[in-house]
Amino acid sequence: GAVVSQHPSWVICKSGTSVKIECRSLDFQATTMFWYRQFPKQSLMLMATSNEGSKATYEQGVEKDKFLINHASLTLSTLTVTSAHPEDSSFYICSASPTSSHSYNEQFFGPGTRLTVL
Amino acid sequence: GQQVMQIPQYQHVQEGEDFTTYCNSSTTLSNIQWYKQRPGGHPVFLIQLVKSGEVKKQKRLTFQFGEAKKNSSLHITATQTTDVGTYFCAGRYAGNNRKLIWGLGTSLAVNP
Repeated sequence: GAVVSQHPSWVICKSGTSVKIECRSLDFQATTMFWYRQFPKQSLMLMATSNEGSKATYEQGVEKDKFLINHASLTLSTLTVTSAHPEDSSFYICSASPTSSHSYNEQFFGPGTRLTVL
Repeated sequence: GQQVMQIPQYQHVQEGEDFTTYCNSSTTLSNIQWYKQRPGGHPVFLIQLVKSGEVKKQKRLTFQFGEAKKNSSLHITATQTTDVGTYFCAGRYAGNNRKLIWGLGTSLAVNP
């Protein structure tokens, strides 16, 4: 149990286009999902906390108009990188915490999406 | 601010040697978690420590939480090649139960 899927697993796009990444909790409900960015051989950088039915909470320095987050249901959150540029190329990973109180502390991670902007 | 420091950044050992990674926070943590990320993979939850002075074991892995709940360690006894990967600690602070503050990770390489 506790599987998180992410789609697509990799994407290559041209500069100026927008890319949508989906994060789904497959066998549990997640009130909260998290979006991270990871550069090669570096730690995870939390970008934003996605809350079902409300606005996402963005970390300092992350442009909310650049990285649009929508958490429309208890099993799906999307991250849209708008007007992507080469510097947005990175590994984007989502994670989800089950809504059930006994296990809400553990985060389950999706497999990640590798974005390359040409 | 809330920050979790993790050392060392890299560790290269011979198979069979022990390995330890350390995490430290300047302020008290409510709990701390450990994750392992294999090369090319995503982080996988290993364990959560909550109580002051807590020690938990998973086969060859021993996790400790300091008495002041400001530091933690992961010790691997007799490393194997399957232990290769990056080990991250991630801490939570009181008042923000869901947000994790991540250490920079320790990358472990094991020579067979």
